[in-house]
Amino acid sequence: QPVLTQSSSASASLGSSVKLTCTLSSGHSSYIIAWHQQQPGKAPRYLMKLEGSGSYNKGSGVPDRFSGSSSGADRYLTISNLQSEDEADYYCETWDSNTRVFGGGTKLTVL
Amino acid sequence: QVQLQQSGPGLVKPSQTLSLTCAISGDSVSSNSAAWNWIRQSPSRGLEWLGRTYYRSKWYNDYAVSVKSRITINPDTSKNQFSLQLNSVTPEDTAVYYCAREEGIAAAGAIDYWGQGTLVTVSS
Repeated sequence: QPVLTQSSSASASLGSSVKLTCTLSSGHSSYIIAWHQQQPGKAPRYLMKLEGSGSYNKGSGVPDRFSGSSSGADRYLTISNLQSEDEADYYCETWDSNTRVFGGGTKLTVL
Repeated sequence: QVQLQQSGPGLVKPSQTLSLTCAISGDSVSSNSAAWNWIRQSPSRGLEWLGRTYYRSKWYNDYAVSVKSRITINPDTSKNQFSLQLNSVTPEDTAVYYCAREEGIAAAGAIDYWGQGTLVTVSS
């Protein structure tokens, strides 16, 4: 089954941009993933589905500041014009026909 | 807009059965273009998928290998909800449990809606 690797933490300044990375394991570089945001004390929230081509579809109400891109086995989430409410944990997710896995999450701090 | 409302006890004794229910609004548990999942989250294990139920002319279930011998996920079409039962729990099953919708008619798809979460503690 696939494995997803994320950096444990990232930080960026208010109003700047940040690019988070999720890396698919060997042999799974073509997989579609999804990004989720989890603010402190809340349930995760779906942000987008992201294909290996870089094409992405965002969930309802997700701000334009959030975008996705891909390169090989890497899937990226870029957040522009960072706001204080973007401080959260970000998880990537992927799936097979009968299983589902999540990355370990990246804790984003907005400075 | 899909909404998932979870209910169930927050405290379960070791060796007993954990039972949670997820009520669906804005969609149907019998939908041919969705699946209904349970996922849990703990500091030690992160987000862990437990299993799902879905309808494609008949009902199907998939379960994670780690809990396959102890888990049952059932749909309830009369109440438009689905449930989780996890038997023989131990303190390692202490976690926040989420129900979630999976989109799409393909074999599998992304989780696109989450329930509010239920903290379940396993303790005597």
